[in-house]
Amino acid sequence: KAGVTQTPRYLIKTRGQQVTLSCSPISGHRSVSWYQQTPGQGLQFLFEYFSETQRNKGNFPGRFSGRQFSNSRSEMNVSTLELGDSALYLCASSLQGLEQYFGPGTRLTVT
Amino acid sequence: EDQVTQSPEALRLQEGESSSLNCSYTVSGLRGLFWYRQDPGKGPEFLFTLYSAGEEKEKERLKATLTKKESFLHITAPKPEDSATYLCAVQISGNTPLVFGKGTRLSVIA
Repeated sequence: KAGVTQTPRYLIKTRGQQVTLSCSPISGHRSVSWYQQTPGQGLQFLFEYFSETQRNKGNFPGRFSGRQFSNSRSEMNVSTLELGDSALYLCASSLQGLEQYFGPGTRLTVT
Repeated sequence: EDQVTQSPEALRLQEGESSSLNCSYTVSGLRGLFWYRQDPGKGPEFLFTLYSAGEEKEKERLKATLTKKESFLHITAPKPEDSATYLCAVQISGNTPLVFGKGTRLSVIA
């Protein structure tokens, strides 16, 4: 069974720009969660989508948004990028939100 | 506030030197506790799920145990390829998001 895939793997953006990251979950998984990982803060939960509905949301500003499509693929968008948004963005999929399987991540660098 | 604390932050072992990593949690009801391994620049790799106190899971040189307030990841006779960051996460009842600890960075020296 193919694992979770994320595109792109690396991204360099300038402050003020926006970015869209994509995640394809494991086939059959309906839950997709997004996390931001930085050396200082560790893994921080952004949001979770289940069957195209946002089921949980973390404590991030409104510049961070996401959506899920009918095929369970998910995207997250960050608008008006700040230097502090530089991080590894991880997507994880699960059947019901319990055991989560992570993708390789997208390394975002904001200059 | 629900919290997950992992200790030590970093651990350096000689090859073959067994040890344990700790994950303590303060949550109001545990649905599951999860262990992950993360290599630099990669996504976390799922290792174990534990649901109730007294439960144990094993995989190769790793064994995870769970009590009412903490979990241990025991590493027996580690090898250099076991070097990684080990993350612990908990989920409380319902469809709530996982809460992760900061991880333990393990280095195994040949």
